Amino acid sequence: QSALTQPASVSGSPGQSITVSCTGTSSDVGGYNYVSWYQQHPGKAPKLIIYDVSRRPSGVSTRFSGSKSGNTASLTISGLQAEDEADYYCSSYTSTSPYVFGTGTKVTVL
Amino acid sequence: VHLVESGGGLVKPGGSLRLSCAASGFTFRTFGMNWVRQAPGKGLEWVAVISYDGSNKLYADSIKGRITVSRDNAKNFLYLQMSSLTAEDTAMYYCARDYSPFMFPAFYFDYWGQGALVTVSS
Repeated sequence: QSALTQPASVSGSPGQSITVSCTGTSSDVGGYNYVSWYQQHPGKAPKLIIYDVSRRPSGVSTRFSGSKSGNTASLTISGLQAEDEADYYCSSYTSTSPYVFGTGTKVTVL
Repeated sequence: VHLVESGGGLVKPGGSLRLSCAASGFTFRTFGMNWVRQAPGKGLEWVAVISYDGSNKLYADSIKGRITVSRDNAKNFLYLQMSSLTAEDTAMYYCARDYSPFMFPAFYFDYWGQGALVTVSS
């Protein structure tokens, strides 16, 4: 099972909106609505911020939103803040694995 | 919810190691549990999942046959037994709880431990 494809890095200025993409296949992202996103600060454990493509766990900022179109899922961070600087990983249920993560995206706040 | 991994360390190639994850703050016996690893400077890789009652287990193809996941619901512990280790197994190993109780699979991981570092080197 190959990792889902994410851009290596995305950057934005405080207050801006950025979008991180996550591209898979019809056997994972495109085939199921079981896409999630995790935020990981340096030296810390990952934190679930989006599940079921677009749902937020309790306590997660509304500035984080998710969507999906075909084989590509997206995470949008609105009103970018310094604390959003972290690595972000998408994940999907797959027909074989059962889980696969994305390659990871480093978000930098300029 | 609190998850604390232990048992990591330096092991020689071809060696074996057992990781433990102590769980507290929730009804352990009702949630499936996972192991996820992260090589230094690399991304996340799902490794294994065990159902809430231990009756179902799944493993990543990349490591299948060299690992066994188990749990002790009486003691609130999750385990990962690893053997025939290679340098490619060097990673931080996280235990992570399934998002929903009693489901298999549960699709997401809502609580993670801080990880146990496994280094495979001669």
